[in-house]
Amino acid sequence: EDQVTQSPEALRLQEGESSSLNCSYTVSGLRGLFWYRQDPGKGPEFLFTLYSAGEEKEKERLKATLTKKESFLHITAPKPEDSATYLCAAGKLGNQFYFGTGTSLTVIP
Amino acid sequence: ETGVTQTPRHLVMGMTNKKSLKCEQHLGHNAMYWYKQSAKKPLELMFVYNFKEQTENNSVPSRFSPECPNSSHLFLHLHTLQPEDSALYLCASSQDVGVNYGYTFGSGTRLTVV
Repeated sequence: EDQVTQSPEALRLQEGESSSLNCSYTVSGLRGLFWYRQDPGKGPEFLFTLYSAGEEKEKERLKATLTKKESFLHITAPKPEDSATYLCAAGKLGNQFYFGTGTSLTVIP
Repeated sequence: ETGVTQTPRHLVMGMTNKKSLKCEQHLGHNAMYWYKQSAKKPLELMFVYNFKEQTENNSVPSRFSPECPNSSHLFLHLHTLQPEDSALYLCASSQDVGVNYGYTFGSGTRLTVV
């Protein structure tokens, strides 16, 4: 069964405390792994797309990596403004996307 | 205005009411989508439109009726909803249909059915 699982469900970090969010997928024929950020009361905002194992992408304090089974979103020295819910989605042929339930990140000053 | 705009932001409706959600995008994208977001659940794809033609309907109950008059506008007409339909309804657009393109989402309509 195609599915995406994100962990942890919630994460509290002190400002400056680096950590990683996990997105595990069992999607046959993966064509792309997407990361989004969602702030309260808003829609998800696109962050990255990863297409093949070994690929990495960075944006400010965020770095996304991809293996054949999972993706990680590494957050280096987070700031309170990084607090949000982070969603991942796996895309496969046929325009099918499988979203995870998200990780709610809180960064405490 | 740029991006994807959804109205209204909040909607409370009775089970016998009829209402419509509106979505507008000014990005020149060809594909538009309706998603449902419920607490603790993954986003659920409801409808897909490509060049204003519906290409997918993911077994959505008939009390939800989409309309896409052109590539920039998308509506979701609601009637005789159930309390379990309360959720955040998100509109999204992408350059084209396909998994190569990330979505641009609107801010959503928070729907409460009473």
